[in-house]
Amino acid sequence: DAGVTQSPTHLIKTRGQQVTLRCSPKSGHDTVSWYQQALGQGPQFIFQYYEEEERQRGNFPDRFSGHQFPNYSSELNVNALLLGDSALYLCASSLIFSGNRAYYNEQFFGPGTRLTVL
Amino acid sequence: AQSVTQLGSHVSVSEGALVLLRCNYSSSVPPYLFWYVQYPNQGLQLLLKYTSAATLVKGINGFEAEFKKSETSFHLTKPSAHMSDAAEYFCAVSETSYDKVIFGPGTSLSVIP
Repeated sequence: DAGVTQSPTHLIKTRGQQVTLRCSPKSGHDTVSWYQQALGQGPQFIFQYYEEEERQRGNFPDRFSGHQFPNYSSELNVNALLLGDSALYLCASSLIFSGNRAYYNEQFFGPGTRLTVL
Repeated sequence: AQSVTQLGSHVSVSEGALVLLRCNYSSSVPPYLFWYVQYPNQGLQLLLKYTSAATLVKGINGFEAEFKKSETSFHLTKPSAHMSDAAEYFCAVSETSYDKVIFGPGTSLSVIP
């Protein structure tokens, strides 16, 4: 059973460019969350997708957008890149409730995409 | 608004010694609490979670945490540190079973042989 996968592993862009990061959730999971982790800091919540819609959003500008596909995979898009966008971008998948079992928001994380903006 | 503080950005312990990593949270409702571990250049792995079933929670790799409502704390402990425990540890909080998860700034654990 494959866990959460993310692509690419590393990415180098220049200021002003646009980037798309991709995430495939753990098998059976229907919810995808994206986090930004700057060096030496904890992950910061960007947004969460469920049923192909953005359900919650953190304190990030509109330059950050996303999408969830019918197969539950997701993309994170960042426009007009700034130097400060350099970070590790983490995708996490979860299953809130299935049948009689609640999963209590347990997030399964991918290895991340390291984005460097020059 | 929910938030997490972790006292001590760096903690060093000797191999075999007790590990204690501190976490305090703020939440307007009974929270869900988590501890995650992150090894270099990797994603986060769940160590344990509190979901109101029991105040003492046991996790993987010998770690456990105790929920203390009166102190709004959820400290992580391990009786005997192992070299392989050296990593970054994050405490996190969620107000519901489907709400966003808010992470603390992390504590870097070093284990001295």
